[in-house]
Amino acid sequence: AQSVAQPEDQVNVAEGNPLTVKCTYSVSGNPYLFWYVQYPNRGLQFLLKYITGDNLVKGSYGFEAEFNKSQTSFHLKKPSALVSDSALYFCAVRDMDSNYQLIWGAGTKLIIKP
Amino acid sequence: SQTIHQWPATLVQPVGSPLSLECTVEGTSNPNLYWYRQAAGRGLQLLFYSVGIGQISSEVPQNLSASRPQDRQFILSSKKLLLSDSGFYLCAWSPGNNQPQHFGDGTRLSIL
Repeated sequence: AQSVAQPEDQVNVAEGNPLTVKCTYSVSGNPYLFWYVQYPNRGLQFLLKYITGDNLVKGSYGFEAEFNKSQTSFHLKKPSALVSDSALYFCAVRDMDSNYQLIWGAGTKLIIKP
Repeated sequence: SQTIHQWPATLVQPVGSPLSLECTVEGTSNPNLYWYRQAAGRGLQLLFYSVGIGQISSEVPQNLSASRPQDRQFILSSKKLLLSDSGFYLCAWSPGNNQPQHFGDGTRLSIL
């Protein structure tokens, strides 16, 4: 069965330190992977995607993600965290049985402390 | 550029009352449209999606329905709301297959 896992319910990072939000997936075939961010009482905002090409994908707000096929992972990273990065982060993968749908992770709450 | 509008932002309704939430997209044509519900600020549950006017696919059996009367308009409805219908409802669009989805700011629905 297809799935996406975000193993950490919450990640705490000090401002200025690097951050990583983890995502692993299980799909057949080539995955299309996405990261989104959600601020309180707002909709989700698209950060970046991996479809093919370089394993390191750069996105909005200084975020990047590394696709690792052997580990079936797509971790979100940022070299230096800002307090304003505090939000809820979602990983998603294309549903291989449907071109229209995404399979969503449960979300990881990122807290950046000053 | 494309924009998505969703309203109202908040809604308080009594149990058994009807519901109509509206979502419109500007600046694009023939988008894929989606309705999600998000419970307790976490996981997303896909309720409906549409790939064209009058074409609605339902993912979860429930007392909600969706309609797409125009290319860029997507409506979520209910004839009689249940307490369990409370939640944060999100509309989204994508330009095509395998493309990122773009979300509205959501409607927070409280059922009393």
